[in-house]
Amino acid sequence: SQQGEEDPQALSIQEGENATMNCSYKTSINNLQWYRQNSGRGLVHLILIRSNEREKHSGRLRVTLDTSKKSSSLLITASRAADTASYFCATLLGSARQLTFGSGTQLTVLP
Amino acid sequence: NAGVMQNPRHLVRRRGQEARLRCSPMKGHSHVYWYRQLPEEGLKFMVYLQKENIIDESGMPKERFSAEFPKEGPSILRIQQVVRGDSAAYFCASSPDSPNTGELFFGEGSRLTVL
Repeated sequence: SQQGEEDPQALSIQEGENATMNCSYKTSINNLQWYRQNSGRGLVHLILIRSNEREKHSGRLRVTLDTSKKSSSLLITASRAADTASYFCATLLGSARQLTFGSGTQLTVLP
Repeated sequence: NAGVMQNPRHLVRRRGQEARLRCSPMKGHSHVYWYRQLPEEGLKFMVYLQKENIIDESGMPKERFSAEFPKEGPSILRIQQVVRGDSAAYFCASSPDSPNTGELFFGEGSRLTVL
């Protein structure tokens, strides 16, 4: 089963609105990362948050991490049509040597 | 600084043939990872290699699949006697250090279609 699960599976919003995606995981982690994938392309790293951090910002992105609830959220503010993509969370477990990806949230931003 | 290079980008094979997918990591990166992605799904880990060593192959099917990362040259993911279920996008990623320290850099993927 997947370590990380994103919610919702699909999200459709209007340009200018904010988009929030959530990720839940099951066991303790070293860090949690968010990636973006445009259709037919490879994944691009967006942001990494370590287990001892609670919030991190990068441009229009804001990531939170709640280790007590084993969950993270990715907020994209003032969305643009170019933000249309799939967004994946990925977790590195305490003893693992590889990132485990969730099944992703498909975000559509309508112009 | 070129990114992770994968080739071929698209590969068509008939059932029973062999597929070889190549991955050149970013310059200075010695850690390589292979992932498989089925349509509308997330990435499934297959194997993690360093130069001349397989570190973690827990995601590799027991038969027909093999991977290597030789001292010289790209990493190779080899699928023997392909079946229709092998049709997927195969992504390679690399990192300069162990996974504990940061992000992975992904290639654009190799899309395998088995007829």
